[in-house]
Amino acid sequence: SQQGEEDPQALSIQEGENATMNCSYKTSINNLQWYRQNSGRGLVHLILIRSNEREKHSGRLRVTLDTSKKSSSLLITASRAADTASYFCATVSPNTGNQFYFGTGTSLTVIP
Amino acid sequence: GAVVSQHPSRVICKSGTSVKIECRSLDFQATTMFWYRQFPKKSLMLMATSNEGSKATYEQGVEKDKFLINHASLTLSTLTVTSAHPEDSSFYICSASTGWTAHQPQHFGDGTRLSIL
Repeated sequence: SQQGEEDPQALSIQEGENATMNCSYKTSINNLQWYRQNSGRGLVHLILIRSNEREKHSGRLRVTLDTSKKSSSLLITASRAADTASYFCATVSPNTGNQFYFGTGTSLTVIP
Repeated sequence: GAVVSQHPSRVICKSGTSVKIECRSLDFQATTMFWYRQFPKKSLMLMATSNEGSKATYEQGVEKDKFLINHASLTLSTLTVTSAHPEDSSFYICSASTGWTAHQPQHFGDGTRLSIL
């Protein structure tokens, strides 16, 4: 399976704390993207990091990519209750054309 | 920008019914649309990739006669679940891309909750 894995599967933190989620994947990639999904809704794109990039920032989000370890992390700083959602990484591989393959997801709960 | 509308949001129907789900890109032309299936508390599983004007490419294990995909225009793709059964109950999500996803994010619809009685 080309699907990646994320850990932890579930994470519960207090508002104001930082949340870190990790994603591991199996094949070489063109890019890796992080998405957010609120319960029962579609996915919202958060950030895209290319295979030749190591770190990227967007507001309170920080993404790192280590292609040698085939892993990525998403850090959400100063979390808010509204950040409660599931977070997925998705990879695009040169071996599989245009398709996305999603990780297993991390369910984040931010307690007010 | 980059809004994708998926309709209907929820369908409840009897076993044996065929159900059509529409996915529209409202403010951009989508050369490629994707259809995913998601089980409760699970990740998205890619079912098929749909390119305008050509046959969809199905992932291994997905029955193309069961899940009919039509991508008649650059703004509309449809997924028809034919003769649906309870095991087809799931959350179906479409997404659209303006180009090669090696460089572009995907834009997702809000999903369709399909319940087969």
